[in-house]
Amino acid sequence: KNEVEQSPQNLTAQEGEFITINCSYSVGISALHWLQQHPGGGIVSLFMLSSGKKKHGRLIATINIQEKHSSLHITASHPRDSAVYICGVGTSYDKVIFGPGTSLSVIP
Amino acid sequence: DVKVTQSSRYLVKRTGEKVFLECVQDMDHENMFWYRQDPGLGLRLIYFSYDVKMKEKGDIPEGYSVSREKKERFSLILESASTNQTSMYLCASSLPDRVRQPQHFGDGTRLSIL
Repeated sequence: KNEVEQSPQNLTAQEGEFITINCSYSVGISALHWLQQHPGGGIVSLFMLSSGKKKHGRLIATINIQEKHSSLHITASHPRDSAVYICGVGTSYDKVIFGPGTSLSVIP
Repeated sequence: DVKVTQSSRYLVKRTGEKVFLECVQDMDHENMFWYRQDPGLGLRLIYFSYDVKMKEKGDIPEGYSVSREKKERFSLILESASTNQTSMYLCASSLPDRVRQPQHFGDGTRLSIL
């Protein structure tokens, strides 16, 4: 079993839909990161959180430490949100482990 | 804004060649990282450096070496390239706390070994 798992692996949505991407992990964590990778490769850090919820524009990230689970929500999705979303767990043993990514395609 | 620059976006080399991938960051970050990214496997750490001339093996260091002679530059070396090293390579940098600080990534180098 991988230490960091994401679901779904692939997701297609219509423009305007509410989207949820999930991340579950089996290790002790200090922080959790959400990253976005657009076609072509560049990766951008979206959020870092260790408890509760963070919001930036149409993006919301939540984490439940007890359940070892985090979600990334996108409200009013847009084709420019099409990207791979990567969850990274900052472990309590000073290492970041990344999930396999969720590929999102938003269709106009 | 932090800028992490990788020397090539695309690179094609032959098996057995020595390959150098270069990465430069402009924000005086202590930490620098080299990852490879393969479909379904996510980002896997090859090497990590926390200071000039200091390095630490990551999860998949076999077949690779690194060099950090200056704080802003971190080089990944494939000593004798093999076809199973065909992949996307990403460099990143961060402030000293690598777990609780965001990593800033370059655009990646897509390397093909023929």
